[in-house]
Amino acid sequence: AQSVAQPEDQVNVAEGNPLTVKCTYSVSGNPYLFWYVQYPNRGLQFLLKYITGDNLVKGSYGFEAEFNKSQTSFHLKKPSALVSDSALYFCAVREASGSARQLTFGSGTQLTVLP
Amino acid sequence: DVKVTQSSRYLVKRTGEKVFLECVQDMDHENMFWYRQDPGLGLRLIYFSYDVKMKEKGDIPEGYSVSREKKERFSLILESASTNQTSMYLCASSLSTAGGFRNTEAFFGQGTRLTVV
Repeated sequence: AQSVAQPEDQVNVAEGNPLTVKCTYSVSGNPYLFWYVQYPNRGLQFLLKYITGDNLVKGSYGFEAEFNKSQTSFHLKKPSALVSDSALYFCAVREASGSARQLTFGSGTQLTVLP
Repeated sequence: DVKVTQSSRYLVKRTGEKVFLECVQDMDHENMFWYRQDPGLGLRLIYFSYDVKMKEKGDIPEGYSVSREKKERFSLILESASTNQTSMYLCASSLSTAGGFRNTEAFFGQGTRLTVV
């Protein structure tokens, strides 16, 4: 069975500092990996995805993520955090050969950027 | 932009009521999903539909049913609401994974926060 782990329930970072939100995954084949962001009382917004190719993926709002196959990780990063980045972040994985219903989400990481 | 619209942002229902949550998408997506979101548990799939009138149970289908009579509309039904169904419900849609489009992301509605009292 596939799974996603977000080891930190809460991440705090000062505005202007770099941020990292961690994600590790487990699938039996090649992974498709996704990051979503959720603002309070809203649905999820797509940030970025890794399908194939370059291990460094760039997405919306200045976010990027690095796929590391040997460590089975897909950490979300941003060079300089903004207070407006404060939100709940979800990592998700699906096996490349799997069906759309087999998208598995992590439990989420609450990011707080302090002014 | 893809738009997924859920009919209600907030709902309060009584135990035992039949509850309908409606979702409409405007991008002609084949796949539609209903998830439930609870703190610390992430998103859990309730039901998935890959075409009109076609559905598959997700991880937690008990106490729920779905209806997809038209491609753009996917309804979640709580047959007899219970307090343990108090939660945030999220609808999503995506393109079919057939024809090589396996890498498409899902697009989400704004969520319905349901409280059963």
